[in-house]
Amino acid sequence: ETGVTQSPTHLIKTRGQQVTLRCSSQSGHNTVSWYQQALGQGPQFIFQYYREEENGRGNFPPRFSGLQFPNYSSELNVNALELDDSALYLCASSLEGGSNTEAFFGQGTRLTVV
Amino acid sequence: QKEVEQDPGPLSVPEGAIVSLNCTYSNSAFQYFMWYRQYSRKGPELLMYTYSSGNKEDGRFTAQVDKSSKYISLFIRDSQPSDSATYLCATKDRSGTYKYIFGTGTRLKVLA
Repeated sequence: ETGVTQSPTHLIKTRGQQVTLRCSSQSGHNTVSWYQQALGQGPQFIFQYYREEENGRGNFPPRFSGLQFPNYSSELNVNALELDDSALYLCASSLEGGSNTEAFFGQGTRLTVV
Repeated sequence: QKEVEQDPGPLSVPEGAIVSLNCTYSNSAFQYFMWYRQYSRKGPELLMYTYSSGNKEDGRFTAQVDKSSKYISLFIRDSQPSDSATYLCATKDRSGTYKYIFGTGTRLKVLA
């Protein structure tokens, strides 16, 4: 049990629609990162929020956006869904900025775009 | 060239075998290395976390980092069917962000 929860666990959307995925981080963790994991691949970094500010972004278009809230929750929003957005979306929670600590992952949200 | 390379497998071994899983990485600045285990349709679960070179042991698991050859390994002793999963190696990029860079994962099947 990592203390990181994601909702929903599964989601089916139609191409062109918008989707919001949610994550609840471990209490006290100041950093949340979002990853996309396609079938048979390792997780790919989408972006990261550190103390509610975006702190880096991977090679994903602007239609992927996010927010981090003071209550340890965060969101990943994807606009204009494409078929290739079908994947497992993972959020990872960590405490950064001091001595190094590891990230803990949620169970993921499996998004299917049809 | 990918920053972290990992053989995707699949790897099948008999129960009780010693399993060796390996990754290579390209950036000599990387210092933190992790192994995650991922069961089907689940999120990755942290197994081992090492800093710089050397070995770290935890029960049946040993993580090894060789910075001179940019090679990281995970050894599983006395493998069990419950070890059947995908094993992901990762390194942490601390140049600005705190993002993790993952290999593709190796699928392991331990046969009873």
